[in-house]
Amino acid sequence: EVQLLESRGGLVQPGGSLRLSCAASGFTFSSYAMNWVRQAAGKGLEWVSGISESGDTTHYADSVKGRFTISRDNSKNTVYLQMSSLRAEDTAIYYCAKDLVAGAAYWGQGTLVTVSS
Amino acid sequence: QSVLTQPPSASGTPGQRVTISCSGSSSNIGSHTVNWYQQLPGTAPKLLIHSHNQRPSGVPDRFSGSRSGTSASLAISGLQSEDEADYHCAAWDDSLNGVVFGGGTKLTVL
Repeated sequence: EVQLLESRGGLVQPGGSLRLSCAASGFTFSSYAMNWVRQAAGKGLEWVSGISESGDTTHYADSVKGRFTISRDNSKNTVYLQMSSLRAEDTAIYYCAKDLVAGAAYWGQGTLVTVSS
Repeated sequence: QSVLTQPPSASGTPGQRVTISCSGSSSNIGSHTVNWYQQLPGTAPKLLIHSHNQRPSGVPDRFSGSRSGTSASLAISGLQSEDEADYHCAAWDDSLNGVVFGGGTKLTVL
């Protein structure tokens, strides 16, 4: 059974940092690109970042470029999102997702990140 | 404002057929496959349709997808109360070098 388990988010002050992790199981992790997608309360889905199977290619939404860094450790079946210079508008549920625009897409349950003083 | 355009809401009565549109451009829907996701209240999105019109195992055949040019559509026939959810379309975008989503369509079963 495919499982994606995001780490607990939390409350962070504006300008602060937070690292999310997503532990994968139930599939060959190293064979799939991974993504982070976020959803602010009452809003639609916003793609944040993606990383290739090997980790050598990464992409970012303009809204987070230069502030967020995606990485993965295939030996630990885990993908990470390092978030820095956080802003109030980064407040959202963050989802880890595999194969986002292909046939084996699967999402984690999400973790809430709140940026507030 | 989302790159892919969906109607914010749709509705139908039980048993009816409802269609949700997703309009894009040549850099996304026009050249890449579309996934549709169903998001029930308080839950994570779940894959409903991939590659424009393919259903993962376990998804009822009441759900179908299609693409024409730079637009895609999701059709739900034999509408049921449990279909009440938000529906999102997604595709890769060559211009943005990332995944783009529609704004989501809230389906209400009257």
